[in-house]
Amino acid sequence: DVKVTQSSRYLVKRTGEKVFLECVQDMDHENMFWYRQDPGLGLRLIYFSYDVKMKEKGDIPEGYSVSREKKERFSLILESASTNQTSMYLCACSRGWNTEAFFGQGTRLTVV
Amino acid sequence: GESVGLHLPTLSVQEGDNSIINCAYSNSASDYFIWYKQESGKGPQFIIDIRSNMDKRQGQRVTVLLNKTVKHLSLQIAATQPGDSAVYFCAENPGNQFYFGTGTSLTVIP
Repeated sequence: DVKVTQSSRYLVKRTGEKVFLECVQDMDHENMFWYRQDPGLGLRLIYFSYDVKMKEKGDIPEGYSVSREKKERFSLILESASTNQTSMYLCACSRGWNTEAFFGQGTRLTVV
Repeated sequence: GESVGLHLPTLSVQEGDNSIINCAYSNSASDYFIWYKQESGKGPQFIIDIRSNMDKRQGQRVTVLLNKTVKHLSLQIAATQPGDSAVYFCAENPGNQFYFGTGTSLTVIP
């Protein structure tokens, strides 16, 4: 089974802090994704990566950046956390573009 | 952006009954669809998928129906069990990324 592991289940950060959310997958999948999930809005794509050191903006990239130095690891960075970034963050990976996406367990981030 | 919606935000069913969860999608170019289940505090879990060259696909206790004419997707769960209580959402993929619906919360009444 594919395993997608997010480094934290819960995080509380202060406004203005730099926040790192880490995601590791163990199945050698090319594509990795970061989503945020908010009530009534569903999952929205922040950034995705289709190869090491490659990244593409999703639908809501503002206030975020990403890093993919190794194939198995995809990091989401909040350069200066704000309260409107309080959300559930979900990492996913997939082998191809039109194949199943596997999700991590999520990180619930609260910015105070 | 894409618009993937669900007909009802909540659904309650009696244990043992069949459940039907509906989803409308907007992009006629979408050719791959997935249903996910998300339990409280967990990440989404794959249930079943279907490609646009099919109109029905069956899994264990689940069936997905695709009507491309009206851009409608449904998930049928047979003999619903308490462990099926969760949020279910659909996702469509026109080839480059997934677009997700907001979800239907299914509650199974014992």
